[in-house]
Amino acid sequence: NAGVTQTPKFRILKIGQSMTLQCTQDMNHNYMYWYRQDPGMGLKLIYYSVGAGITDKGEVPNGYNVSRSTTEDFPLRLELAAPSQTSVYFCASATGGNQETQYFGPGTRLLVL
Amino acid sequence: GENVEQHPSTLSVQEGDSAVIKCTYSDSASNYFPWYKQELGKRPQLIIDIRSNVGEKKDQRIAVTLNKTAKHFSLHITETQPEDSAVYFCAASIEGGGADGLTFGKGTHLIIQP
Repeated sequence: NAGVTQTPKFRILKIGQSMTLQCTQDMNHNYMYWYRQDPGMGLKLIYYSVGAGITDKGEVPNGYNVSRSTTEDFPLRLELAAPSQTSVYFCASATGGNQETQYFGPGTRLLVL
Repeated sequence: GENVEQHPSTLSVQEGDSAVIKCTYSDSASNYFPWYKQELGKRPQLIIDIRSNVGEKKDQRIAVTLNKTAKHFSLHITETQPEDSAVYFCAASIEGGGADGLTFGKGTHLIIQP
């Protein structure tokens, strides 16, 4: 199993541009999450999904959108990139709910200039 | 919502000594407390976790203790080695509170001095 994979690894965006961060897992996990990690900080939850067709907001959802059309994929969309969205983005998945181990992807480093 | 405080932000210990990282949480309903290790430029990886029906859990040189009354939990690493150098994050979540992910502390940068 590849586990959780993310693309791209690194991206530079101009202010106002849009992009989609891809996340795929091959472990048949129902639960998937998007976190962002700012320098010297912990991870903050952006959006999460408990299964295909179901998504919900986390702590810091503004400026982002997600979709979950399949169990495997959970893309994160930035519509109008802002410098405040410069961060490292991690996708994670888990078999069940809050007491299940979350497995993280390798991360996408995003720089908005 | 839940708030997790983690201390210290940086911890430097001599190789072979023990390291202790402490976290407090605010929501008494939290009942799952994982610890993640993150090496520079890498993804967070689970190293140990504890659930609220257990007070202590050990895995070789790593142990976690939980005090639900005081709402704090700690990570203990004994006989530290150079490969233990990393950033460690504590986290908390609530069973039955929706699958709304983990609330993380801000991390502790552990430095093992040779």
